[in-house]
Amino acid sequence: NAGVMQNPRHLVRRRGQEARLRCSPMKGHSHVYWYRQLPEEGLKFMVYLQKENIIDESGMPKERFSAEFPKEGPSILRIQQVVRGDSAAYFCASSPYLLGPGTEAFFGQGTRLTVV
Amino acid sequence: DQQVKQNSPSLSVQEGRISILNCDYTNSMFDYFLWYKKYPAEGPTFLISISSIKDKNEDGRFTVFLNKSAKHLSLHIVPSQPGDSAVYFCAASALGGNEKLTFGTGTRLTIIP
Repeated sequence: NAGVMQNPRHLVRRRGQEARLRCSPMKGHSHVYWYRQLPEEGLKFMVYLQKENIIDESGMPKERFSAEFPKEGPSILRIQQVVRGDSAAYFCASSPYLLGPGTEAFFGQGTRLTVV
Repeated sequence: DQQVKQNSPSLSVQEGRISILNCDYTNSMFDYFLWYKKYPAEGPTFLISISSIKDKNEDGRFTVFLNKSAKHLSLHIVPSQPGDSAVYFCAASALGGNEKLTFGTGTRLTIIP
């Protein structure tokens, strides 16, 4: 059973371009979470999705950021018109059920976005 | 507003000794706590968790203690091994529909051979 797969591992974008980050959850996992880690900081929650639904996007910036988890295929985090401040490590996590004792979130290796 | 705080950015411990990592939280709605370990250029790996109905949970060399009145938890690793050198993140959640984990800023643990 492969773990959470994120691609690309590294992504370089010029200011103003679009960045697309992909996340394939573990097999059987229908809950996906995106987190962002800025340098020297902890992980910050961005969005929680279930298949075809955004459940909680309270951590997402109001503009330029969007996320989806379609019925088929990976979850996508999309950042339009990137700026230098978007440079960070973006982590995806998945779980089979709601989080709780015995049900933890498993993280992917992350995508390191660098905006030049 | 940092709701989960890890006040020690780094900690060095001799191999074989006990490592104690601390975490404080401010949100009284948190009732589920986790520790994650992270190596450079990798994602966080789940280590151990505890719910608020317990004050201790043990898994092999790892034990987490929860003091609800002090809003404090700690992770004990004994004996410490070189492979334990990593960044450790404390995370908290309010169960019952709130699926987001709130992370601390991490403590870099270095085990000295």
